[in-house]
Amino acid sequence: DADVTQTPRNRITKTGKRIMLECSQTKGHDRMYWYRQDPGLGLRLIYYSFDVKDINKGEISDGYSVSRQAQAKFSLSLESAIPNQTALYFCATSDTRTGGMNTEAFFGQGTRLTVV
Amino acid sequence: AQSVTQLDSHVSVSEGTPVLLRCNYSSSYSPSLFWYVQHPNKGLQLLLKYTSAATLVKGINGFEAEFKKSETSFHLTKPSAHMSDAAEYFCVVKAGAAGNKLTFGGGTRVLVKP
Repeated sequence: DADVTQTPRNRITKTGKRIMLECSQTKGHDRMYWYRQDPGLGLRLIYYSFDVKDINKGEISDGYSVSRQAQAKFSLSLESAIPNQTALYFCATSDTRTGGMNTEAFFGQGTRLTVV
Repeated sequence: AQSVTQLDSHVSVSEGTPVLLRCNYSSSYSPSLFWYVQHPNKGLQLLLKYTSAATLVKGINGFEAEFKKSETSFHLTKPSAHMSDAAEYFCVVKAGAAGNKLTFGGGTRVLVKP
């Protein structure tokens, strides 16, 4: 089983619909992140969470919201999806408690979202 | 503030020849630097990382990278390309007082010809 699991893996939704992408981890890491990937732009940070009660906006948070329901779960919501939110979304985790502030991140397999 | 520039969006090499992927960064703090690889329809896998120890870093699958502070570079190399190296590669910087955000380059797509 994957250490960082994203569901669904693929989703097509209509403009204006609310959609939730889910992420769960079995690594016991404290920090969790949501990124989106667009061709030629690399990955850009949407939101990140230090722990259950600490949520922070990333560089492109407009149009998105998140919830850290438990240490192991971090969900991303698009309140009213629009076509330019069509992208590949990645959840990631990192362990700063044992790895320090500059430890690497571990990524899920990605969710391909298409908004039509 | 921090940023990463991958100088080539696409690189094409023949199997058995060297691979060079170029990365330049900027950071106000001493950075940690990473290279990740993404195979088609897969997540991102860590190839190697630099965190202020040895400047020449060896990673998985025969890859290595050299941190050059004077040139603000962290180029990725492999002496002999294999067909399985065909993928997209991302250079990533992590730095700053918060130390919590990864900043990605735009990616370099590698094509390996037989």
